[in-house]
Amino acid sequence: GAVVSQHPSRVICKSGTSVKIECRSLDFQATTMFWYRQFPKQSLMLMATSNEGSKATYEQGVEKDKFLINHASLTLSTLTVTSAHPEDSSFYICSASSAGGNSNQPQHFGDGTRLSIL
Amino acid sequence: AQSVTQLGSHVSVSEGALVLLRCNYSSSVPPYLFWYVQYPNQGLQLLLKYTTGATLVKGINGFEAEFKKSETSFHLTKPSAHMSDAAEYFCAVTPANSGYALNFGKGTSLLVTP
Repeated sequence: GAVVSQHPSRVICKSGTSVKIECRSLDFQATTMFWYRQFPKQSLMLMATSNEGSKATYEQGVEKDKFLINHASLTLSTLTVTSAHPEDSSFYICSASSAGGNSNQPQHFGDGTRLSIL
Repeated sequence: AQSVTQLGSHVSVSEGALVLLRCNYSSSVPPYLFWYVQYPNQGLQLLLKYTTGATLVKGINGFEAEFKKSETSFHLTKPSAHMSDAAEYFCAVTPANSGYALNFGKGTSLLVTP
């Protein structure tokens, strides 16, 4: 089956640090990747949608200068949390789809990244 | 706009008992519906999906769900719960053939007691 690898699985760093999270599709070409944020005991909230070679589309309320998304290839998207602060601590999950506009193909999720800012 | 409502943030069943997790959706266009399971500190695993065709869909680990358009529901069931089924379950919806991101429900935490 389709595999999405997300790295790192856990990050603990000081306030003010920038953190990069990678999301890779290992055995398929991901035309679209999605980045979600999940607070404890809550659901997944979509942050942004990225299509390979295009600028990401951010959801309302998500700061694009804070959460930089790059989708330079069909197998890799990165989320960079710039100058992270304690309120950015959360569980970040990526998903990848080869659907190219057909949502019949399910999104394949990474295992998430637990970000803790001290 | 599409949204889902999961009734009951926590459900507790005995091992061997029927599992029923409720999901109702709202969609102005034909929806695709999904159920995902999440174990602690992990990503989401697809249990099953409804897109078109048969309204009763079978998934992994013995789960199934039935799409009922008249009731705008997509409830998840399993005849006999196992201890290993304890996890967080999310219902999600997206417009058919849209390529859009999924809209998730708030999740239901399933507890299985011996």
